[in-house]
Amino acid sequence: DGGITQSPKYLFRKEGQNVTLSCEQNLNHDAMYWYRQDPGQGLRLIYYSQIVNDFQKGDIAEGYSVSREKKESFPLTVTSAQKNPTAFYLCASRWGHGVQNTEAFFGQGTRLTVV
Amino acid sequence: AQSVTQLDSHVSVSEGTPVLLRCNYSSSYSPSLFWYVQHPNKGLQLLLKYTSAATLVKGINGFEAEFKKSETSFHLTKPSAHMSDAAEYFCVVAGGEYGNKLVFGAGTILRVKS
Repeated sequence: DGGITQSPKYLFRKEGQNVTLSCEQNLNHDAMYWYRQDPGQGLRLIYYSQIVNDFQKGDIAEGYSVSREKKESFPLTVTSAQKNPTAFYLCASRWGHGVQNTEAFFGQGTRLTVV
Repeated sequence: AQSVTQLDSHVSVSEGTPVLLRCNYSSSYSPSLFWYVQHPNKGLQLLLKYTSAATLVKGINGFEAEFKKSETSFHLTKPSAHMSDAAEYFCVVAGGEYGNKLVFGAGTILRVKS
């Protein structure tokens, strides 16, 4: 089945630790996105990538890093510099480099809690 | 300026009555517009999309939305609510000055009473 897989579903992190969230898609989509969701704030864009080996900062990139070494994979690292990392993180992908009217497909999310 | 404004953070309807979820957008161009639904602790599912074809767009589960350029609105409606419609709904704009970004509204939580 084609789709987007995020892992793990739940993640606990101690303060001061970096943690990496996985996102894999087998839809052959060019574009991939990471969003953060907090109650009442909708989804806010962290990073996005249109093609392999290229990515751009979104609206709230501070304290996060990404890589795009393969078309299928777009991992997100939450660093210790992120002051309030507890949130629900959603990965999405979308067909077409530079095509702006296609819909995005979403993973099931990772809930990160700092303990 | 807010790119996408969902005018109600919460909407409550009785089962079998109409649903109206309101969305206004700001764009200097003809954008692409989407409505997504999210059930608790789940990913997002596309309900429908507008991409400069017909202004009345029909989606899944009986939902539809009308693009009104003069009002910069893209309100979501359903004639008769079902208990399973209870969820959070997001209006999304893309294209034009937003480029390859998908910009989300803050969301509307729909409650359906029996």
